[in-house]
Amino acid sequence: GQQLNQSPQSMFIQEGEDVSMNCTSSSIFNTWLWYKQEPGEGPVLLIALYKAGELTSNGRLTAQFGITRKDSFLNISASIPSDVGIYFCAGYPDLYSGGSNYKLTFGKGTLLTVNP
Amino acid sequence: NAGVTQTPKFQVLKTGQSMTLQCAQDMNHNSMYWYRQDPGMGLRLIYYSASEGTTDKGEVPNGYNVSRLNKREFSLRLESAAPSQTSVYFCASSADGSSYEQYFGPGTRLTVT
Repeated sequence: GQQLNQSPQSMFIQEGEDVSMNCTSSSIFNTWLWYKQEPGEGPVLLIALYKAGELTSNGRLTAQFGITRKDSFLNISASIPSDVGIYFCAGYPDLYSGGSNYKLTFGKGTLLTVNP
Repeated sequence: NAGVTQTPKFQVLKTGQSMTLQCAQDMNHNSMYWYRQDPGMGLRLIYYSASEGTTDKGEVPNGYNVSRLNKREFSLRLESAAPSQTSVYFCASSADGSSYEQYFGPGTRLTVT
């Protein structure tokens, strides 16, 4: 099946720094979702992207749907301690690539640690 | 609006015991999902229900059964628990198949000894 390669696997940064992470695939995706998961909690949807080239912000978070439709990026500006958690990318592969409107493919996550 | 709720939050079972994990959503969503999350494996789809009255297998359905009780509720049953089913289980819902945003519950942490 489709796989999503998410990088980096982990990041340790200082408060105030900007953060970038990305997700890539060998298949075309028609939707990208970014989630954050804190310890002991379920994933929380941060941003949804629906069109190639789309750039969407949610506060200090900005995500982009790659032009090739095979990647997506998430940036966090001016990080704060409460940004700590695991960030997951997820997507729906294009139907012609064997995708389904119901089967999300997940990356394995980027663990973000912020040092105050 | 509670969103997606799951019960219980924690459970310990002995091998061979059975149990049902409950999930309910109050967002009037048509589609519901069950995932398991294991270290290094990410989130994997067990079963989903595109709409009330339908269920379909996901990536890892073996050892599980599901019931879409009504539009709000979707349960996951382990008939004979095995240690390999030790995991964190998440329920999610989406408006329908054309609305791609899935919203997750807080999870059930299951240990099978």
